[in-house]
Amino acid sequence: AQKITQTQPGMFVQEKEAVTLDCTYDTSDPSYGLFWYKQPSSGEMIFLIYQGSYDQQNATEGRYSLNFQKARKSANLVISASQLGDSAMYFCAMRGLNYGGATNKLIFGTGTLLAVQP
Amino acid sequence: GAVVSQHPSWVICKSGTSVKIECRSLDFQATTMFWYRQFPKQSLMLMATSNEGSKATYEQGVEKDKFLINHASLTLSTLTVTSAHPEDSSFYICSATEGGQSTEAFFGQGTRLTVV
Repeated sequence: AQKITQTQPGMFVQEKEAVTLDCTYDTSDPSYGLFWYKQPSSGEMIFLIYQGSYDQQNATEGRYSLNFQKARKSANLVISASQLGDSAMYFCAMRGLNYGGATNKLIFGTGTLLAVQP
Repeated sequence: GAVVSQHPSWVICKSGTSVKIECRSLDFQATTMFWYRQFPKQSLMLMATSNEGSKATYEQGVEKDKFLINHASLTLSTLTVTSAHPEDSSFYICSATEGGQSTEAFFGQGTRLTVV
């Protein structure tokens, strides 16, 4: 079974500072993908970053980077130079990867509400 | 990225009526679509997985006779909430993937359902 755990229900960060949002996971799939999504108050899910379990390097996308530690089963999101517009709910998600063609379901953590303070 | 359009964005209905929510992939063929439900300040809970041309696979605890899912084409899946009750009020959101080795899931804008 798959499980995603986000232990931080809420976080505050000062504008222009960096913040780390924690995510740990558990899976029996040999190959899997890890995702981070941002959900502003409007409700849409905005894809931020993706890390494959066999990727050698940590993923980066602009101000977002993923601190992937496979042995610890953690995939923390780091947001650098926080902006007021970063205030939102952030979800960590995971899916098993079946390269035979099947599409596995995406499972979400409980989310972390980030508030960026001016 | 690919575009998934969900309609309507919000809907209010009376108890006992049925409501249909559409999820369309606009610029790709979605072999698989997922339907999620989200209560306020909570995570997305997967309701069912919908594969084109076959019956949906429902998660444990989700009533398949109440939440009817149809995936008749590679670009459209529908969720019908039958005999809606106030406790069905929630945010419903769909996502779609191209399948195969595609890793990313693209989300619709979500539908806020209020049953009065």
